[in-house]
Amino acid sequence: EAGVTQSPTHLIKTRGQQATLRCSPISGHTSVYWYQQALGLGLQFLLWYDEGEERNRGNFPPRFSGRQFPNYSSELNVNALELEDSALYLCASSGGPGAGEQFFGPGTRLTVL
Amino acid sequence: EDQVTQSPEALRLQEGESSSLNCSYTVSGLRGLFWYRQDPGKGPEFLFTLYSAGEEKEKERLKATLTKKESFLHITAPKPEDSATYLCAVQAHSGGYQKVTFGTGTKLQVIP
Repeated sequence: EAGVTQSPTHLIKTRGQQATLRCSPISGHTSVYWYQQALGLGLQFLLWYDEGEERNRGNFPPRFSGRQFPNYSSELNVNALELEDSALYLCASSGGPGAGEQFFGPGTRLTVL
Repeated sequence: EDQVTQSPEALRLQEGESSSLNCSYTVSGLRGLFWYRQDPGKGPEFLFTLYSAGEEKEKERLKATLTKKESFLHITAPKPEDSATYLCAVQAHSGGYQKVTFGTGTKLQVIP
């Protein structure tokens, strides 16, 4: 069974640009979560989508947004990039709102110059 | 507010030297506690789920236990390949949905 996949693996942008990150969950999983992990720091919760709806978001500015598609894949958009947005962005999926175990993808390394 | 605290922040062991990592939590209505392993630059790898006090799970050299206030990840006779950051997370019922809160992790280094 394929795990969570993310693309691209690496992304280099300059300040002020927009970045789009993509995630495909495990087959059958309806919930997708996005996390930011800055170098040497813990996981910071960004967004949670389930059944195409945004269910919760973390303490991040509105320039972090996303969506979930009918096939449950998801996209994270970061507008007006700032240097401090440089981080590993992790996507996880679970079987739904009641399923606690989250399974993570390999991440997208975003570097903002 | 749900809180998850892991200790120590970092742990350095000699190969074969057994030890334990701690995860203490403060949540209303624990639904589950999860352990993950994360290698540098990679996504966390799911290890265990614990649901109730007294429960234990084992996988190779790792054993996870749960009490009402904390969980321990015991590492028996560790090997260098066990070096990683170990994350703990708790699931609790919050505002009509299940919320998962992660700790900041324990960075384990096993020296040959």
